[in-house]
Amino acid sequence: NAGVMQNPRHLVRRRGQEARLRCSPMKGHSHVYWYRQLPEEGLKFMVYLQKENIIDESGMPKERFSAEFPKEGPSILRIQQVVRGDSAAYFCASSPPNGRDGYTFGSGTRLTVV
Amino acid sequence: QKEVEQDPGPLSVPEGAIVSLNCTYSNSAFQYFMWYRQYSRKGPELLMYTYSSGNKEDGRFTAQVDKSSKYISLFIRDSQPSDSATYLCAMRGQGGSEKLVFGKGTKLTVNP
Repeated sequence: NAGVMQNPRHLVRRRGQEARLRCSPMKGHSHVYWYRQLPEEGLKFMVYLQKENIIDESGMPKERFSAEFPKEGPSILRIQQVVRGDSAAYFCASSPPNGRDGYTFGSGTRLTVV
Repeated sequence: QKEVEQDPGPLSVPEGAIVSLNCTYSNSAFQYFMWYRQYSRKGPELLMYTYSSGNKEDGRFTAQVDKSSKYISLFIRDSQPSDSATYLCAMRGQGGSEKLVFGKGTKLTVNP
């Protein structure tokens, strides 16, 4: 039973380019959460999605960031026109519908903006 | 006041020591409490998961929750060098699948 799969593991983008981060939840998990971790900081919530629905996006920056979890395929976190301040580790977590037993995290995507 | 406060350390102990890690929180709606371990450049790994107040033990790890004081703890007995990592507390409310709110994490080093 594969865990939460994130790709790519490392992503380098030039300022102004777009970054696409992918997350496939654990089998049987229908809820996906995206978190961002800056150096020496804890994990900050960004967005919570279920299939074809954004449930809570209260942690998403108002501009340039978007997320989706389509009926088929992985969840995508998209960052348009990246800036240096977007450099961080982005983690995806998934949970079953009842949210019990905690949330399982992927290994993350480390985005570097040059 | 931040929702979740955690001393970032760093904390350095000798092998075999008992380690105590703590978090305080301000939101009385939090009902589920978790501890995650994160090795350098890896994703967080769930260690302990508790509901409401009380204790939970799993091997060398014990989690305690005191909701009246809004205080949670993780104890590690007989600490090992392999326990060296950052420990993150996390918590959420009663809803079926709500977002987790994390502390900043405490960096622990266990010296052989």
